[in-house]
Amino acid sequence: SQQGEEDPQALSIQEGENATMNCSYKTSINNLQWYRQNSGRGLVHLILIRSNEREKHSGRLRVTLDTSKKSSSLLITASRAADTASYFCASDNTDKLIFGTGTRLQVFP
Amino acid sequence: DAGVIQSPRHEVTEMGQEVTLRCKPISGHNSLFWYRQTMMRGLELLIYFNNNVPIDDSGMPEDRFSAKMPNASFSTLKIQPSEPRDSAVYFCASWGLGGYTFGSGTRLTVV
Repeated sequence: SQQGEEDPQALSIQEGENATMNCSYKTSINNLQWYRQNSGRGLVHLILIRSNEREKHSGRLRVTLDTSKKSSSLLITASRAADTASYFCASDNTDKLIFGTGTRLQVFP
Repeated sequence: DAGVIQSPRHEVTEMGQEVTLRCKPISGHNSLFWYRQTMMRGLELLIYFNNNVPIDDSGMPEDRFSAKMPNASFSTLKIQPSEPRDSAVYFCASWGLGGYTFGSGTRLTVV
């Protein structure tokens, strides 16, 4: 399977704390994307980092990419209860998206 | 644009019945993808089309599954006959300027 892996599988934190999720992928990529999925809902695109970038910021999100290790991380700073969701990385190798296994984040108020 | 539109939102069917899931991509997007999401296997790419032509169907689990894209604004994923293990959420996504956009999914339950 080309499916990537994420860790941790589940993460529980208090509001205000930072949440870090890690992703490993298997193929060469043009870019790597992170998506959010609320329970029972569709996937929402959060951020995209290109293969020639090492770090990218968007609001409270910070994404890093290490193509030599085929890995990425997503950091959510100052988490809120509304950040509770599943987060998926997806590797884009030119013509399709391959998703990781996801991290379930629970943020307690 | 209303985004990627999938129908139905929910489908409950009996084992052995034919199931057809539908997707309308974003106008102007030239690639369309079908994904399946289960607790056990996560998000799996089943098949994708480029300019209405199937490019890679290696993710289709077996011959009971088929997908078509007769024109740029419509695609179907058909399961015949359906089995309980096909129960999952099926997502359609399209790609174009602006990147990927996912539909809200069809939750399929086969009893």
